[in-house]
Amino acid sequence: DAGITQSPRHKVTETGTPVTLRCHQTENHRYMYWYRQDPGHGLRLIHYSYGVKDTDKGEVSDGYSVSRSKTEDFLLTLESATSSQTSVYFCAISDGTWLEQYFGPGTRLTVT
Amino acid sequence: DQQVKQNSPSLSVQEGRISILNCDYTNSMFDYFLWYKKYPAEGPTFLISISSIKDKNEDGRFTVFLNKSAKHLSLHIVPSQPGDSAVYFCAANGGSQGNLIFGKGTKLSVKP
Repeated sequence: DAGITQSPRHKVTETGTPVTLRCHQTENHRYMYWYRQDPGHGLRLIHYSYGVKDTDKGEVSDGYSVSRSKTEDFLLTLESATSSQTSVYFCAISDGTWLEQYFGPGTRLTVT
Repeated sequence: DQQVKQNSPSLSVQEGRISILNCDYTNSMFDYFLWYKKYPAEGPTFLISISSIKDKNEDGRFTVFLNKSAKHLSLHIVPSQPGDSAVYFCAANGGSQGNLIFGKGTKLSVKP
């Protein structure tokens, strides 16, 4: 299994508070991704990174920001959490060569 | 508009029989397709992929077929086993940075 961890694994927070989710990899892969999974929507890309300090928006980026200061860490921040951001968040990594992405275990976030 | 569609939310199959999961896409520029399997409370796991230069790729019990003219691919699992019960996602490459576009998933139940 690819070395990907996500923290925290579960979080409950209140509307309006900032939240940061962390993805950590030990594979030295160049590409990292944040997805959210919601019933009836499958997996949707929030943001991705193609190198340290290089990031770009995905399909559902509004309300989210990301940072990547080291190859191994990719942070997802909800600047002011809303109930619509209650979801399961998955981080993924890829070395870009074969396009397969390998996913972390997920973070279940509940915004009350 | 959905670019990758999995029109069957669920599929039930008897153990030992064939499972066929279908996926349609709309963008003829997609040239790489992947299947992922997801168990509850875990991240998606890469299963098998196919390039558009092929029409079939096989890996053990799993075979993916690609029909480019119909913009259709399918995943065959033979023989199906109870451990195959999971949600299966179809995905296509969506951009130069390896971004993937996922379908909504099909929940497969294999009954003993």
